[in-house]
Amino acid sequence: GQNIDQPTEMTATEGAIVQINCTYQTSGFNGLFWYQQHAGEAPTFLSYNVLDGLEEKGRFSSFLSRSKGYSYLLLKELQMKDSASYLCAVANYQKVTFGIGTKLQVIP
Amino acid sequence: DGGITQSPKYLFRKEGQNVTLSCEQNLNHDAMYWYRQDPGQGLRLIYYSQIVNDFQKGDIAEGYSVSREKKESFPLTVTSAQKNPTAFYLCASTPEGGRTDTQYFGPGTRLTVL
Repeated sequence: GQNIDQPTEMTATEGAIVQINCTYQTSGFNGLFWYQQHAGEAPTFLSYNVLDGLEEKGRFSSFLSRSKGYSYLLLKELQMKDSASYLCAVANYQKVTFGIGTKLQVIP
Repeated sequence: DGGITQSPKYLFRKEGQNVTLSCEQNLNHDAMYWYRQDPGQGLRLIYYSQIVNDFQKGDIAEGYSVSREKKESFPLTVTSAQKNPTAFYLCASTPEGGRTDTQYFGPGTRLTVL
């Protein structure tokens, strides 16, 4: 079976750093995606981790530990436009399973 | 511009009616997917197609049907057998079928059944 856990909601202050965690238990693993989704819009791709470690892309970084079934998305220098839901998704050979998403609210 | 289009953005139907949601892509992608999104739940896979004239059921296929007669089109029909059809429906595509890759999503259709 597939089980993906991430916090439902988080609040952070503009300019700060926030870490959104994702733990997973899945049958088969090819990689882990992070998507950003603004309310009422389509998800947009942020990152895809296949190997253990940290990958940095501008203000966003994503970390993966396959042995622990754990990933996090790190957002630095938060901006108001970062208020959105962040979806963790695990890929196996033919299928991608999504978590419920973490709704991040950035406050002034 | 290349991309995925879904129309309409908002759709209202009476209970008991079938309704078809369109999804078109001009990315030349082989694989296409339909997801349903409900509050408090992750995206759930309804159907997917890795190649023209072939498709497989996802996790929640009951009450839905699809066709893939053309590479660029993957319409989803929500039938009267679907007990809770009101939801946000997302179509996505990937370059190749048979392996996971970054999914490109359409803008979504919000279906409300009255």
